[in-house]
Amino acid sequence: QLQLQESGPGLVKPSETLSLTCTVSGGSISSSSYYWGWIRQPPGKGLEWIGNFYYTGITYYNPSLKSRFTISVETSKNQFSLRLTSVTAADTAIYYCATLAAAGLKFDYWGQGTLVTVSS
Amino acid sequence: QSALTQPPSATGSPGQSVTVSCTGTSSDVGGYNYVSWYQQHPGKAPKLMIYEVSKRPSGVPDRFSGSKSGNTASLTVSGLQAEDEADYYCSSYAGSIRSVFGSGTKVTVL
Repeated sequence: QLQLQESGPGLVKPSETLSLTCTVSGGSISSSSYYWGWIRQPPGKGLEWIGNFYYTGITYYNPSLKSRFTISVETSKNQFSLRLTSVTAADTAIYYCATLAAAGLKFDYWGQGTLVTVSS
Repeated sequence: QSALTQPPSATGSPGQSVTVSCTGTSSDVGGYNYVSWYQQHPGKAPKLMIYEVSKRPSGVPDRFSGSKSGNTASLTVSGLQAEDEADYYCSSYAGSIRSVFGSGTKVTVL
């Protein structure tokens, strides 16, 4: 059973860069069975897909978002990360890491989420 | 890509049924049979309830069912129970390993 756990700063200043990490246990991040993804949810609002990483090295991003997001993987640590540059208050949200199963294209495992607040 | 359209709220009494719709386009909901539904209780992460339009993961009660017609998918919760009160989100594959979520529906059990 996969388990995902997000970590990162809870508070970031405007214009700075946000970095979050998702640690995976119970499975390998090199698995072909999953895409490793990030989803965010502003307080009181809906879910927004940010992007996915596949073990082949290919990343996929939400075309509606400006290209401020980067997803990367550290295979040796079984972790994947999200980097967001030039943050604004609009980036305040709960950030979830999740797996998108290659079979069925469903988000079947989720981290508990981490709240990131952008404020000076 | 625009969010899929869901009604903001839906209400039902215990034991009744409630249906939540999810409307997209031919580029997402209508183009693929990869619609999934997620239940989210306050302060919790979303939980997968339905995938591939109508399939239920193990452990999800058969009171939850899904369907699709054209560009609109639907989630039906039959025999409503108090614990079904939550926010529900649909999601669809939108090609090129892109996903899009719905705007969310708050289901209230009277």
